[in-house]
Amino acid sequence: AQKVTQTQTSISVMEKTTVTMDCVYETQDSSYFLFWYKQTASGEIVFLIRQDSYKKENATVGHYSLNFQKPKSSIGLIITATQIEDSAVYFCAMREGNTGYQNFYFGKGTSLTVIP
Amino acid sequence: EAAVTQSPRNKVAVTGGKVTLSCNQTNNHNNMYWYRQDTGHGLRLIHYSYGAGSTEKGDIPDGYKASRPSQENFSLILELATPSQTSVYFCASGGWGGDQDTQYFGPGTRLLVL
Repeated sequence: AQKVTQTQTSISVMEKTTVTMDCVYETQDSSYFLFWYKQTASGEIVFLIRQDSYKKENATVGHYSLNFQKPKSSIGLIITATQIEDSAVYFCAMREGNTGYQNFYFGKGTSLTVIP
Repeated sequence: EAAVTQSPRNKVAVTGGKVTLSCNQTNNHNNMYWYRQDTGHGLRLIHYSYGAGSTEKGDIPDGYKASRPSQENFSLILELATPSQTSVYFCASGGWGGDQDTQYFGPGTRLLVL
């Protein structure tokens, strides 16, 4: 079963607007960590932002922020004032618990196109 | 700044041949990973390691071996390459706790098996 699901395959938005990308996850662990990554057209995969499950405040980094809705097992990525260079594929990921190694589960990605 | 490098960046191999993909990280991370990325499948974990000398099977290990001779290096080995292994392969490293508790990816290797 898919542990991390991104239902939006692709999204197009106008430049300088705000976009939200959805992600839902499944876990039985009381402690888990949620991540968003960006893959550019060149193929480079870059870490953007992280939310720890025990934190109530939504994480924010630059013009990226998260909408963490724990009861809904949802972690949305919000990009404000989108720029052309935000066009990319965005992956949501989850790591469970406090194991001595990391085991990440990735969603299949959402392709974002920012239109000038 | 985290740094993960992969070599080669592009590789053409013949069916039945041996292919070795190399990964080096200068982050001093304990954990390293090999993924393949295919359209429609996203990132799939092949092998991972949580320290020098250790390798563990991921979700799709069949047809692949891994080697972690040192903290910095992690190799993926295709002993008998097949066309179905044509893909883009990513290596990643990851730390534990704080800002390092994420994965840092290499630039990827495009492998074509003819």
